[in-house]
Amino acid sequence: GAGVSQSPSNKVTEKGKDVELRCDPISGHTALYWYRQSLGQGLEFLIYFQGNSAPDKSGLPSDRFSAERTGGSVSTLTIQRTQQEDSAVYLCASSLTGKANVLTFGAGSRLTVL
Amino acid sequence: GNSVTQMEGPVTLSEEAFLTINCTYTATGYPSLFWYVQYPGEGLQLLLKATKADDKGSNKGFEATYRKETTSFHLEKGSVQVSDSAVYFCALSLNTDKLIFGTGTRLQVFP
Repeated sequence: GAGVSQSPSNKVTEKGKDVELRCDPISGHTALYWYRQSLGQGLEFLIYFQGNSAPDKSGLPSDRFSAERTGGSVSTLTIQRTQQEDSAVYLCASSLTGKANVLTFGAGSRLTVL
Repeated sequence: GNSVTQMEGPVTLSEEAFLTINCTYTATGYPSLFWYVQYPGEGLQLLLKATKADDKGSNKGFEATYRKETTSFHLEKGSVQVSDSAVYFCALSLNTDKLIFGTGTRLQVFP
């Protein structure tokens, strides 16, 4: 597509529920990144994909967080048993070359855990 | 570790005022440096970048110079406009595959 698409744009869930956030990168972009933006915090790196593999998942905050990418395209970030501290905006970005300096970001998915 | 520190906001200015947003970094090695901007309701966009010491990045009237001696990459603009109101993020990359961001600085420009 023309840009990076993320869905849902807003998600409100109850504590303990599982949520899935979707990212559709720019067509042909091989690298895909997930970041988290919390109120008053910077952008926290979560995970990076090159193709379907994740060479760097060092930023995932706990084993409740997982992500996958299929077909070298769409990625899903799953948060199990959500907690209130998971509330944040989850940003996805993609890159043509895998070099961080040409990231294109989506508008984000705002997650609110009640 | 590698990190970016930027001045806290919000920065509030009148239109046509001079803007400086400070950014300093800590890095093991020689990073590339970036400024990204997030306009209200939009995704982050690359504003400018510099890949080596003494390089100056510029775009849309904004400038930042990579200062190795002071480990800084301050963002400047000579005359801000209301449309520049946004959140500005300083970031670094160290030949890896991710950007390390600062906490962001909100700029509010009033007519």
